Amino acid sequence: DGGITQSPKYLFRKEGQNVTLSCEQNLNHDAMYWYRQDPGQGLRLIYYSQIVNDFQKGDIAEGYSVSREKKESFPLTVTSAQKNPTAFYLCASAEYQGSNQPQHFGDGTRLSIL
Amino acid sequence: KNQVEQSPQSLIILEGKNCTLQCNYTVSPFSNLRWYKQDTGRGPVSLTIMTFSENTKSNGRYTATLDADTKQSSLHITASQLSDSASYICVVSPSNFGNEKLTFGTGTRLTIIP
Repeated sequence: DGGITQSPKYLFRKEGQNVTLSCEQNLNHDAMYWYRQDPGQGLRLIYYSQIVNDFQKGDIAEGYSVSREKKESFPLTVTSAQKNPTAFYLCASAEYQGSNQPQHFGDGTRLSIL
Repeated sequence: KNQVEQSPQSLIILEGKNCTLQCNYTVSPFSNLRWYKQDTGRGPVSLTIMTFSENTKSNGRYTATLDADTKQSSLHITASQLSDSASYICVVSPSNFGNEKLTFGTGTRLTIIP
């Protein structure tokens, strides 16, 4: 079955540490996205990528970095510069970067601070 | 500022009953409105996508309506089942942009009790 796989499901970060969240899709989608979900707030866009080797900042990119070396992979690194990283992180993909394209989401990674 | 407001914040109903969730938005210009279902600890799953020219769209026991003039949408769930317990998220897309400009509501938490 095609879909989006995020790993790990739970992740703990120590102070001053960088951590990387994995997102892999086998839907052959061009566009991929990273969102952050906090209690009582709507999803907020961190980064997005329309094609391989290209990505753009979303609304809350500070303290995060991404890469898109392969079409199926879009890892997110939460750096030590992100002072409030505790959240539920969701990766999504869409066939292409169009306004009517539905997004398919992974099942998320919950990041907590030790 | 583009906003999406959902009501109620939470709702508890008996199994088998119907319910309606509301979504008001101020996104302009408007392209499409989406409803997602998010189970606890999982990623959102798309239920419907409606453009400004569509008034209603169904997906099984889920029926979404859209009034682009008043900028209101509703999601009606018929004959609720325990598996309908989830958060329901309304998402609006402005025209001339892709998924990078989506505005997410904070969701309605629905609980179905036997």
